[in-house]
Amino acid sequence: QVQLQESGPGQVKPSGTLSLTCGVSGGSVTSTHWWSWVRQPPGKGLEWIGEIYYTGTTNYNPSLKSRVTMSIDKSKNQFSLNLYSVTAADTAIYYCAREVSAWSFDYWGQGTLVTVSS
Amino acid sequence: QSVLTQPPSVSGAPGQRVTISCTGSSSNIGAGYHVHWYQQLPGTAPKLLIYGNNNRPSGVPDRFSGSKSGTSASLAITGLQAEDEADYYCQSYDNNVGGPAFGGGTKLTVL
Repeated sequence: QVQLQESGPGQVKPSGTLSLTCGVSGGSVTSTHWWSWVRQPPGKGLEWIGEIYYTGTTNYNPSLKSRVTMSIDKSKNQFSLNLYSVTAADTAIYYCAREVSAWSFDYWGQGTLVTVSS
Repeated sequence: QSVLTQPPSVSGAPGQRVTISCTGSSSNIGAGYHVHWYQQLPGTAPKLLIYGNNNRPSGVPDRFSGSKSGTSASLAITGLQAEDEADYYCQSYDNNVGGPAFGGGTKLTVL
């Protein structure tokens, strides 16, 4: 059973950088899957942020592309998200998820709330 | 503004059948991409409910079914139960996004 767990600061200052890590257990980040980040502002819907493959290849949502980078650490079996120049609009629950066929997501982390506030 | 359009809310009495629509365009559902559905119970992560338009992962009751036609898709829930009260999201691939895109979500209330 694959399990994903997000970790990182729960609060980030405006104009700062949001950094999160997703640890994977019960499976390997080097498997033939893409790994994604999805966010959900409080009381609102889901937004795909981007995805990364174990080779380091990435794809980002155009709406966030200028502020996002993702990386993968095969030795630690985890992948990470950096979102730069954050504002209050970036306050959300951030989920990591595994992609399977046809860009669906079969495993999700429990999510972590990140609040942008001074 | 979500790429895929869902009704904000639907409701039904226990035992009834409800459907949730998901309307897309030629850049996503209409382009032939599969539609997936997720159930999000309060305070929890989304759970994959239907994948590939009409397939259920192991453990999902057959009361849940999906369909797709043209630029739209639907999720049907029969024999409504109180435990089905949740938010439901459709998702597909979108050419303009260059990746997965979600609907705005539909809140199901069991009366």
